Amino acid sequence: AQSVTQLDSQVPVFEEAPVELRCNYSSSVSVYLFWYVQYPNQGLQLLLKYLSGSTLVKGINGFEAEFNKSQTSFHLRKPSVHISDTAEYFCAVSEGQGAQKLVFGQGTRLTINP
Amino acid sequence: EAGVAQSPRYKIIEKRQSVAFWCNPISGHATLYWYQQILGQGPKLLIQFQNNGVVDDSQLPKDRFSAERLKGVDSTLKIQPAKLEDSAVYLCASARVGGYEQYFGPGTRLTVT
Repeated sequence: AQSVTQLDSQVPVFEEAPVELRCNYSSSVSVYLFWYVQYPNQGLQLLLKYLSGSTLVKGINGFEAEFNKSQTSFHLRKPSVHISDTAEYFCAVSEGQGAQKLVFGQGTRLTINP
Repeated sequence: EAGVAQSPRYKIIEKRQSVAFWCNPISGHATLYWYQQILGQGPKLLIQFQNNGVVDDSQLPKDRFSAERLKGVDSTLKIQPAKLEDSAVYLCASARVGGYEQYFGPGTRLTVT
């Protein structure tokens, strides 16, 4: 069965500093990987996804993630964060093609300090 | 295009009462999901529909939860009777057939007292 582990429940950083949110997954088959962001009292918004091809994936709001098959990781990075990036970030995995269910990690709360 | 709509946004009920949530997916999206998000956790799939058929309901507590998607468009999720542990945000999402991206609604926050 597939599972996702987000290694940090909370990450505080200063504004304009770089950040990395860590995600590891387990699966016995090929997977598709996603990062979603959830702002307070809102639904989830897709930041980026890895389906195939280049292992470095760029998303919205300056975020990027790198798929590492040997380490079963999909870490999210941003070189310089802003106050507006304060939110909960979820890593998710799905197996199989098409509109399959997502299995989510427990989330990482990113707090940006001025 | 309009996003996924959900109502109500907030609901407070007492244990053993019943409650229903409504979801209207993005037009043309055949696949619809209901997720339960307990505070401090990631969303967990309750049920997945494709058109009006159930694809996956393996994690739906069928003794108290039910869901339907009549006519393959909007959907209703019901809890009867509610328990304290059902307090959570219930998220609805939709996707195109064969699509990888799921679009989420704003959620319904349920508090059971």
